[in-house]
Amino acid sequence: SQKIEQNSEALNIQEGKTATLTCNYTNYSPAYLQWYRQDPGRGPVFLLLIRENEKEKRKERLKVTFDTTLKQSLFHITASQPADSATYLCAAKSSASKIIFGSGTRLSIRP
Amino acid sequence: GAGVSQSPSNKVTEKGKDVELRCDPISGHTALYWYRQSLGQGLEFLIYFQGNSAPDKSGLPSDRFSAERTGGSVSTLTIQRTQQEDSAVYLCASSFEYSNQPQHFGDGTRLSIL
Repeated sequence: SQKIEQNSEALNIQEGKTATLTCNYTNYSPAYLQWYRQDPGRGPVFLLLIRENEKEKRKERLKVTFDTTLKQSLFHITASQPADSATYLCAAKSSASKIIFGSGTRLSIRP
Repeated sequence: GAGVSQSPSNKVTEKGKDVELRCDPISGHTALYWYRQSLGQGLEFLIYFQGNSAPDKSGLPSDRFSAERTGGSVSTLTIQRTQQEDSAVYLCASSFEYSNQPQHFGDGTRLSIL
């Protein structure tokens, strides 16, 4: 079946370092991937979208890459801050037109 | 407000009762989505609407679940004869169209079945 997998359930890093989160997809080739941030008790908030023909997309301290050979997207937060602590979700549309979300990576930035 | 609004924010009900969850999307958004999120889990896609039509209802967990959308705006998700496993946060999102547009989420309805 078509899957989106975020391998790290939790990631803890030191403030100021770069956080790198991984999203892998299997059994299909999505035309795009989206990344969302979710804080406790809130709905997800859209961050970035990257298309399959784009290698990299940036927005302020955020960077997303899309490697169709590895079937993987990487999400980077540079100069991380405690305020970046949240759960980050990747999502893509399946070939059956359902939206598939990964289970998320809970990122904690310690001061 | 300008965002997606969901009501109620919390709902506690007894097993076997019916519940109705409401979603008010952002004005002008033609696509509307329903998801379910269990504690500590990712989002489970339930159904989407393009306008008032739901092309694919296969994501609904059982025939106790139904959804409708009227006037291309408000949507309701109804769960009949609720079971304890229905306890979860139900999230609604909307976007300009059902493609690669960013989804705007509400803060969900936290449903607890006793």
